[in-house]
Amino acid sequence: NAGVMQNPRHLVRRRGQEARLRCSPMKGHSHVYWYRQLPEEGLKFMVYLQKENIIDESGMPKERFSAEFPKEGPSILRIQQVVRGDSAAYFCASSRLAGEQYFGPGTRLTVT
Amino acid sequence: KNEVEQSPQNLTAQEGEFITINCSYSVGISALHWLQQHPGGGIVSLFMLSSGKKKHGRLIATINIQEKHSSLHITASHPRDSAVYICAAREGSYNTDKLIFGTGTRLQVFP
Repeated sequence: NAGVMQNPRHLVRRRGQEARLRCSPMKGHSHVYWYRQLPEEGLKFMVYLQKENIIDESGMPKERFSAEFPKEGPSILRIQQVVRGDSAAYFCASSRLAGEQYFGPGTRLTVT
Repeated sequence: KNEVEQSPQNLTAQEGEFITINCSYSVGISALHWLQQHPGGGIVSLFMLSSGKKKHGRLIATINIQEKHSSLHITASHPRDSAVYICAAREGSYNTDKLIFGTGTRLQVFP
């Protein structure tokens, strides 16, 4: 049973470009969470999604960031017009309803 | 707003020592997670607990709901236990299920 998959593992973008980060949850998991870890800082919640629904986006920056979890396919975290401050590790986790969250390996975004 | 505090921030130990990491949180939660993050950055879920005690190998996690406190213990520590240990409070409710993270405890175990 494959774990949570994220791709790409490393992503380099120039300022102003768009970044798309993908997360495939574990089989049987319909809940996805995105977390961000800035350099030398702790993990912070960004958004919680179920299939086709955003449940809690209280941790998402108000502009440039969006997330989706379509009926088919992976969850996508999209960052438009990236800035240097977006450089971070982005982790997704998945779970069953109220179950333990399992983390993916993360995507390390570098904005040059 | 839930605050999650961990102590100590840094911990060094000799191989074989018994280690305790503490975590306290400020409001009610549905569960508490203990996570391990290795230098390569990957995150492994060690425990999710909502009451009592859980044990897995040399790791033991306890939680006291009334005191809003949890501890992670490592018995017979080994250099491969060197990592950052993170506790996370789960705010499970009808409109969210997010984790609020502590700042982590960096553990180094020397041979």
